[in-house]
Amino acid sequence: QKEVEQDPGPLSVPEGAIVSLNCTYSNSAFQYFMWYRQYSRKGPELLMYTYSSGNKEDGRFTAQVDKSSKYISLFIRDSQPSDSATYLCAMRDGNKLVFGAGTILRVKS
Amino acid sequence: DAGVIQSPRHEVTEMGQEVTLRCKPISGHDYLFWYRQTMMRGLELLIYFNNNVPIDDSGMPEDRFSAKMPNASFSTLKIQPSEPRDSAVYFCASSRQGPGNQPQHFGDGTRLSIL
Repeated sequence: QKEVEQDPGPLSVPEGAIVSLNCTYSNSAFQYFMWYRQYSRKGPELLMYTYSSGNKEDGRFTAQVDKSSKYISLFIRDSQPSDSATYLCAMRDGNKLVFGAGTILRVKS
Repeated sequence: DAGVIQSPRHEVTEMGQEVTLRCKPISGHDYLFWYRQTMMRGLELLIYFNNNVPIDDSGMPEDRFSAKMPNASFSTLKIQPSEPRDSAVYFCASSRQGPGNQPQHFGDGTRLSIL
């Protein structure tokens, strides 16, 4: 079993929909949780970064962490075609990051 | 500020050849990371450096892979001899402090195809 599990999708939604992306993990030692967005033929870029359980909001994006369930989520409100990308969750393991497989998101106009 | 710069963007070569990938991190960043991304295995950390010193190379798949960081502004990842299963996108990333405290900034990768 992988340390970080993420459904690869693809997830296809209409423009304006609310998108929910999720990851589960098995390592209780993970403390920092991140979401990266990766456009085709580009490197990942950091979207959201959280440390503790709870919610963190940034514009249309909300990151949610539930350490008791070992579950993290990223919500995208009012999704736009420009949000079409691969979304990777990542978690800190000591001085390293462990990434999920990434979920392909397609927002149709 | 310029981002992380990787070269070449694409590399196609025959099995058995030596391949050298290059990375220029963001100026002032203390950490440099090399990753490999494939459909099957996702994004995997190969090795990382702190202040030009290799700290953890446990992700390097075999002795055919080696990485160096001769100074703060340059790093190389070398594969010799290359094999078809090495085909992947290789990313370099850098950050200011430990990866949990500061975001890692990625380059746009080198797409490597070994025939």
